[in-house]
Amino acid sequence: EAGVTQFPSHSVIEKGQTVTLRCDPISGHDNLYWYRRVMGKEIKFLLHFVKESKQDESGMPNNRFLAERTGGTYSTLKVQPAELEDSGVYFCASSQEREGGIDTEAFFGQGTRLTVV
Amino acid sequence: AQSVAQPEDQVNVAEGNPLTVKCTYSVSGNPYLFWYVQYPNRGLQFLLKYITGDNLVKGSYGFEAEFNKSQTSFHLKKPSALVSDSALYFCAVRGPSGGSYIPTFGRGTSLIVHP
Repeated sequence: EAGVTQFPSHSVIEKGQTVTLRCDPISGHDNLYWYRRVMGKEIKFLLHFVKESKQDESGMPNNRFLAERTGGTYSTLKVQPAELEDSGVYFCASSQEREGGIDTEAFFGQGTRLTVV
Repeated sequence: AQSVAQPEDQVNVAEGNPLTVKCTYSVSGNPYLFWYVQYPNRGLQFLLKYITGDNLVKGSYGFEAEFNKSQTSFHLKKPSALVSDSALYFCAVRGPSGGSYIPTFGRGTSLIVHP
């Protein structure tokens, strides 16, 4: 079974440019999450999709970030225009629906390392 | 609000010795607790979780963690460390019922196992 895949693995862009990150969750996983880790700090939640709907986007830092999940499959996270403080590692994770009230764990992709110069 | 503290940025241990990576948490109600590991150039991998039941949870690669409600801790342990255990370890917590699965992560602890 394929895991969560993210593309690209690395991206270096100039301030003011646009970057789009992609995440393909595990097939059948309705829940999809985006997280970000800035160097040396905690992994911070950005947003959560259930199928194609945004369940919680309280972690999105500002309106320069736009996430979509077309047809409830893969998701994209666009940063436009990028700023220096957007640098970090962006993780995507997916999980199945909760079963019997017991949460199943999330499976993470390898992350996209974004550097804004 | 829920939070996680990993008080050590780095833990050093000799191969063959026991290891402990510390984690304390704050959450309303009974916690759901998780440990993940990140090897170089890899994504986060799930190690183990505590939802309910036995306070000692066993996970992948010989790791285990002990839930201590009075101390609000969930320390990760292994009886005998391997050099290949060297990686970045993240503790995570979320509250019980309701809402979506959105765990809060700690800053991570770098474990270095010396030969």
